[in-house]
Amino acid sequence: EVQVLESGGGLVQPGGSLRLSCAASGFTFRSYAMSWVRQAPGKGLEWVSHIKDSGGNTYYTDSVRGRFTISRDNSKNTLYLQMNSLRAEDTAVYYCAKARDMAAYNFDCWGQGTLVTVSS
Amino acid sequence: DIQMTQSPSTLSASVGDRVTITCRASQSISTWLAWYQQRPGKAPKLLIYKASTLQSGVPSRFSGSGSGTEFTLTISSLQPDDFAAYYCQQYNNFPLTFGGGTKVEIK
Repeated sequence: EVQVLESGGGLVQPGGSLRLSCAASGFTFRSYAMSWVRQAPGKGLEWVSHIKDSGGNTYYTDSVRGRFTISRDNSKNTLYLQMNSLRAEDTAVYYCAKARDMAAYNFDCWGQGTLVTVSS
Repeated sequence: DIQMTQSPSTLSASVGDRVTITCRASQSISTWLAWYQQRPGKAPKLLIYKASTLQSGVPSRFSGSGSGTEFTLTISSLQPDDFAAYYCQQYNNFPLTFGGGTKVEIK
């Protein structure tokens, strides 16, 4: 079964850091691009960051560029999101999502999400 | 950035109704559009990609159409499981962007 499972969320103070992980199974992880998508409480979906299969190309939404870093370890089938200089507006459920195929960035497998709360 | 605008934001309907949701892009995205369903407290689920291709396992009552800047998601006969939020997403270029969502409620 194709699965992704996020971990690493929690409560952090403004200005703090957190690293999210996403463990993948049931598919050839190294062959698929991956994204992080977040959802603030009661709000819609917001794409955060994307990494291509090899890890050589990364993309970010403007509000996190320079603060967040996406990476992957294809030997461990794991995706990461390092989040620094966290702000209250980063509070959200963060989803890891698998690209449906190698050529188009829509997402056919999502994790259950991990909640990040930025508050003093 | 490409802005995606969905309408309506909320829709009240009954079981058996035909429902249509619209998504407009601020510039042409060809057919690089996906639709997702999200039930409360759950992760999004891919319904349709490339504007009109049904994802494997998705019931045939769901259909998508459109190209360029205007797209629709249609549910031909609303079922109890379909009361949820629906989002469109463009993947023509980065940053990837989602519509604001449409909540389908029970009338």
